[in-house]
Amino acid sequence: ETGVTQTPRHLVMGMTNKKSLKCEQHLGHNAMYWYKQSAKKPLELMFVYSLEERVENNSVPSRFSPECPNSSHLFLHLHTLQPEDSALYLCASSQEADRVSNSPLHFGNGTRLTVT
Amino acid sequence: AQSVTQLGSHVSVSEGALVLLRCNYSSSVPPYLFWYVQYPNQGLQLLLKYTSAATLVKGINGFEAEFKKSETSFHLTKPSAHMSDAAEYFCAASGGSYIPTFGRGTSLIVHP
Repeated sequence: ETGVTQTPRHLVMGMTNKKSLKCEQHLGHNAMYWYKQSAKKPLELMFVYSLEERVENNSVPSRFSPECPNSSHLFLHLHTLQPEDSALYLCASSQEADRVSNSPLHFGNGTRLTVT
Repeated sequence: AQSVTQLGSHVSVSEGALVLLRCNYSSSVPPYLFWYVQYPNQGLQLLLKYTSAATLVKGINGFEAEFKKSETSFHLTKPSAHMSDAAEYFCAASGGSYIPTFGRGTSLIVHP
């Protein structure tokens, strides 16, 4: 399998639940990203991992917890979410070189999250 | 810091008409520029990228974009729109960092 795969594609959870989103990339990239895409809002960068170390965290609430166990896998652990967290969560990967790169991002198809 | 501006949240064209989606960037360093397309219920996929080799860049599905440094623009065009081009289009820029900055996106609507 090639590309970036996200599971599950759809998730409905209550505000007291704990769930995890999974992302796997088969492109040999060394950087991975989580984005949040809400209706009528711009793409929001949530987390960036480069060489399995978190390099950027854009003031995301602590109810979102990322994990990057290796360069191919990225998780987003969710707990006590709010209805406004309902959105499409996109994972992406890229090949970073010396912190400056013309390598494009490769996106998965996202997880559509609904918080009830 | 990078910023990317896409003029018009929606662009409506007739099938067969010219498509023009506008993107302007601001950057203190020479940028790398990208256009992505997002179809419903899918992630973003790369249409084309500019990396300083040539100012006119050809991408997939008949799209192209021209880098104009004097105008800090990277507008996306297609001579003849097809119904299947209806989607959300995102312009992005990176420069000084491998992490790109995205525009807000432009929804392309194609009428029969």
